[in-house]
Amino acid sequence: SAVISQKPSRDICQRGTSLTIQCQVDSQVTMMFWYRQQPGQSLTLIATANQGSEATYESGFVIDKFPISRPNLTFSTLTVSNMSPEDSSIYLCSVERRGLGGQADTQYFGPGTRLTVL
Amino acid sequence: QKEVEQNSGPLSVPEGAIASLNCTYSDRVSQSFFWYRQYSGKSPELIMSIYSNGDKEDGRFTAQLNKASQYVSLLIRDSQPSDSATYLCAVTLSYSTLTFGKGTMLLVSP
Repeated sequence: SAVISQKPSRDICQRGTSLTIQCQVDSQVTMMFWYRQQPGQSLTLIATANQGSEATYESGFVIDKFPISRPNLTFSTLTVSNMSPEDSSIYLCSVERRGLGGQADTQYFGPGTRLTVL
Repeated sequence: QKEVEQNSGPLSVPEGAIASLNCTYSDRVSQSFFWYRQYSGKSPELIMSIYSNGDKEDGRFTAQLNKASQYVSLLIRDSQPSDSATYLCAVTLSYSTLTFGKGTMLLVSP
């Protein structure tokens, strides 16, 4: 598996402000991902954080709203910009471990950041 | 549009019983299948992966895959109250992107 940490674990923010969430992994990984989990819902992929290039965003998510950095193979940040109450959610980073011996590549999740926007 | 469908539940079983969780997926070329457990207020935790037709057992957990029917299930034997959680089914193609179902809430009563 992987040891993944996220900061902050939770925050309460005012409308119109921005919050940057950090994700740190205990070893180098190629693939890192950012998800959102709205209350009572499942996980929705926001983007894939690519090291050395721009993030790849899923439909419905744009870089201006969710800028992502990936400066190295163990760290990534997600910024939630110009927040509104609809952005209240849990934000999760995940990393992929390559499968060995024919095993499938597998994603492991960080502890998440619980964001409340007032 | 790739879809992963799960019954939202809650699925209620008594302690010691077998809990059966089901998942169907729409993309016939899906290759890898995962079950995650998510306790309330916590992040998803991987409990099983499967990518070949048939059964895969790990302790009290058995994952079953039927690609022809586009169906994957998770059996939990000897269910314990500590198994009470939401179970998320996830499916991926070869390029890593996971698609999650909405999850099934399992309640195991003592």
